[in-house]
Amino acid sequence: QVQLVQSGAEVKKPGSSVKVSCKASGGTFSSYTISWVRQAPGQGLEWMGRIIPILGIANYAQKFQGRVTITADKSTSTAYMELSSLRSEDTAVYYCAPPPGAPFDYWGQGTLVTVSS
Amino acid sequence: EIVLTQSPGTLSLSPGERATLSCRASQSVSSSYLAWYQQKPGQAPRLLIYGASSRATGIPDRFSGSGSGTDFTLTISRLEPEDFAVYYCQQYGSSPQTFGPGTKVDIK
Repeated sequence: QVQLVQSGAEVKKPGSSVKVSCKASGGTFSSYTISWVRQAPGQGLEWMGRIIPILGIANYAQKFQGRVTITADKSTSTAYMELSSLRSEDTAVYYCAPPPGAPFDYWGQGTLVTVSS
Repeated sequence: EIVLTQSPGTLSLSPGERATLSCRASQSVSSSYLAWYQQKPGQAPRLLIYGASSRATGIPDRFSGSGSGTDFTLTISRLEPEDFAVYYCQQYGSSPQTFGPGTKVDIK
C-alpha cells in the first residue's frame, strides 16, 4: 500500500522560501496526480495546485500563481512544493494528497510551516 | 471558480442519531466529482466518499453520499463516538479544485 510521507516542520523568515517534499513510500505515484492543500491554524482546507508526476505538468490556483512551484522526481517518486516570498499568513500545515478514488487514498501526514521573524 | 457552501455550520447530535450534511455548489460539479472528508483535531483529512456516492476503502457503510449537479449530501446513518469531527466537501472536477468551509458534528 502506497503511503505519502512528508518532510518535517519548517520555521522560515518572512520573504524567504520553503520547499516541502512528499515521497510515495511502498510504491510509486503511478499515473495519478498529487495535489498540495494547506490549512491555516483553525481554518479550512485550501487547494494550491497539483502535478501529474509522469508528465511533469503542474497547474496552480490563481491565488498562488507566481509564488508556488510544484515539481516531481519520477525516479524517487517524490513530489515537491516550493512557496516563495513567505509572509505570516502562509503559516499553515501543508498536505500532499492523492486524487479522490486513487488506489492510495491517504493524505500525507502534513508539514507545519511557520513564518515568523 | 466553483464555490462550495456547507450547511449547517455546526450539527449537535447524540450518538446513535442520524446526521445529514449538505454541500451546495455555485455551479454544476463536473461528472459528480464531489468528495467528502472527515478531519479530527491534529490529523490529516480522511477520504470518506468520492464520485459523490462511492465509499473509500475501509469506510463503514453507515457513511453514504448522494446528489448530483449542484446539491450533494453526506449521511451518517447512526453516529458512533468516533464520528464526531469536521466534515469537508471538495469538488475536483474543475480547476481550481475547491473545498467547502466544513461542518462540525459535535456531541449534544
